[in-house]
Amino acid sequence: NAGVTQTPKFQVLKTGQSMTLQCAQDMNHEYMSWYRQDPGMGLRLIHYSVGAGITDQGEVPNGYNVSRSTTEDFPLRLLSAAPSQTSVYFCASSYGQKGQPQHFGDGTRLSIL
Amino acid sequence: TQLLEQSPQFLSIQEGENLTVYCNSSSVFSSLQWYRQEPGEGPVLLVTVVTGGEVKKLKRLTFQFGDARKDSSLHITAAQPGDTGLYLCAGAGDTGNQFYFGTGTSLTVIP
Repeated sequence: NAGVTQTPKFQVLKTGQSMTLQCAQDMNHEYMSWYRQDPGMGLRLIHYSVGAGITDQGEVPNGYNVSRSTTEDFPLRLLSAAPSQTSVYFCASSYGQKGQPQHFGDGTRLSIL
Repeated sequence: TQLLEQSPQFLSIQEGENLTVYCNSSSVFSSLQWYRQEPGEGPVLLVTVVTGGEVKKLKRLTFQFGDARKDSSLHITAAQPGDTGLYLCAGAGDTGNQFYFGTGTSLTVIP
C-alpha cells in the first residue's frame, strides 16, 4: 500500500516555465488537496477536490490549476512559474469530508529561479 | 489570513522536561487535528479532537480542545529525543472541506 505518492521530489524551474506536480493515492479516498509550506507560515491550502470531476479553490489558488479526472489522481499545474512559488508542495487525501484525518505525501521541493 | 496561531514557534528543551504547545484562534472549528512532521516528510496525524473540552491522551502526549472550540493545547510529559519535530495544529471549518493549519512549533529535545 503506497498511500499518497508525489512526483517529482525535487524540481528547479526558470521563471515563466510551466510544469505539473503529480499526486496519486491508492486508498480510494474521495477528498484530495494541495498545500504549500513556507517557513513560519505552516501549510496553506491551494486547491482541493471532494471527488472526481469536482474541484474548488483554497486560500492561495492564484497561479495554480487543478483537475480531478479520476479518484486516484490530482495533478497541480503551475501555469507560468514565479519566484514567489518557490516552496514545498504537499498533496493530501482523506475519506470524505468533515475533518477526516489527512494522509500526506512526502512533498515536492520546488525552486523557481 | 492565518487563522491559527501557534506558540511558541521554537522550543528547545532537555530530555525529561515537560512542555506545552498552544494553538489559538478567534474562529470556531468543527474539529481540530494535531500533526507531527519530520524533515523531508509530510505531516503525520497524531490526534483529532471534536468536542469542546475534549481531552485525549496518546502515551506521554495530552491533547485538549478548548470549550469554545477555538483553541487547543498539546502537553508532552518527560520529553524524549524521538519527540523532536515540527508540530502543527489544523482546524476544520464548518463544511469540513477546508483545513487551516497553524504556523507550527519546532521542537528539539536534547539528550
